[in-house]
Amino acid sequence: DAMVIQNPRYQVTQFGKPVTLSCSQTLNHNVMYWYQQKSSQAPKLLFHYYDKDFNNEADTPDNFQSRRPNTSFCFLDIRSPGLGDAAMYLCATSRDRAEPQYFGPGTRLLVL
Amino acid sequence: GQQVMQIPQYQHVQEGEDFTTYCNSSTTLSNIQWYKQRPGGHPVFLIQLVKSGEVKKQKRLTFQFGEAKKNSSLHITATQTTDVGTYFCAGRGSGGSYIPTFGRGTSLIVHP
Repeated sequence: DAMVIQNPRYQVTQFGKPVTLSCSQTLNHNVMYWYQQKSSQAPKLLFHYYDKDFNNEADTPDNFQSRRPNTSFCFLDIRSPGLGDAAMYLCATSRDRAEPQYFGPGTRLLVL
Repeated sequence: GQQVMQIPQYQHVQEGEDFTTYCNSSTTLSNIQWYKQRPGGHPVFLIQLVKSGEVKKQKRLTFQFGEAKKNSSLHITATQTTDVGTYFCAGRGSGGSYIPTFGRGTSLIVHP
């Protein structure tokens, strides 16, 4: 059974057109993360939620925003996608911040 | 911020040969996690090490945490083609940041 679900799996958007990626979890974990991963690179943490507490990484561009309306769901909003934002976006969850993370299958974003 | 160095970046082996990837931090880690990402897939949690000098085994995989808790290694005995993928370590510093920092990963290529 899927525990961390990401939709859609593939997303094509146009340069500058806002896009929203979604993540849901059935694990009831407190922490949800959003990572950006480009080819042959490590996942780069964008931000995380510890319960309702939002934590932004210092180098995450303002173009990236997130919402967590409840425990199960978390959204990544890219307000004005640029060509450099084309990447795999991974959602992950963990019971607590130091605990192992469980990743979803990712959404591959293509910006035309 | 916390930096975790991982070497080598790539490793080609013949099926049946052993493989080792190393993770190093300039500061003491409170724990270290290992993940495997298959080509086209998402990171999957393998194991977490917490104690100084800890050694854990999973079948042909052996994980070690250094005595000073600044380095870790993953050793695979007699590699198989199913071991292909990128292995990431993620280390959490002993002070400050709650979130583990990912190393850049070691991509293992196994030739049959």
